[in-house]
Amino acid sequence: DGGITQSPKYLFRKEGQNVTLSCEQNLNHDAMYWYRQDPGQGLRLIYYSQIVNDFQKGDIAEGYSVSREKKESFPLTVTSAQKNPTAFYLCASSYPGQTYEQYFGPGTRLTVT
Amino acid sequence: SQQGEEDPQALSIQEGENATMNCSYKTSINNLQWYRQNSGRGLVHLILIRSNEREKHSGRLRVTLDTSKKSSSLLITASRAADTASYFCATAASGTYKYIFGTGTRLKVLA
Repeated sequence: DGGITQSPKYLFRKEGQNVTLSCEQNLNHDAMYWYRQDPGQGLRLIYYSQIVNDFQKGDIAEGYSVSREKKESFPLTVTSAQKNPTAFYLCASSYPGQTYEQYFGPGTRLTVT
Repeated sequence: SQQGEEDPQALSIQEGENATMNCSYKTSINNLQWYRQNSGRGLVHLILIRSNEREKHSGRLRVTLDTSKKSSSLLITASRAADTASYFCATAASGTYKYIFGTGTRLKVLA
């Protein structure tokens, strides 16, 4: 089955620890995205990548880092510099450009205490 | 600020009624997309309307786009309890790949 997966579904960490969220897709999409969603809110773009080995900051990149070493994978690291990391994180992929829909993973709910 | 803003924030209707939600945006766009999110899940793409289109249909969904007013509407006809979800519009300013999602409309369909 083709799709986009995120793991784990729930993640708990202590404050001050870095944590990496996984995102994998087998849809052969060039573009991948990371969004953050807070309760009752819309999605805010953290990072996006249109092609392997290239990525750009979104609107709320501070305290986050990404890598894009493989077309299929776009992991997100939430660093200890992120002031309020508890949120629902969504990964998406699409064909490159603006004319295509985004396919979303099921999300990872991160809780930092 | 948000590129897309949905209105209303919440909507509660009876099964069988129609649901209309609106989206406004700020800049020139290539297309506008609508997505649906069930509670605690990822988003699912519903429909894409291009800037040169005024209306598009998909099953029980009807989307309109008014580029002069920078607004779009999503109409769900003959709603069902299973339509209960949050609905988001998404746009990317022309020439960019940064999609901006609105804050969403939470739709509740009562059986």
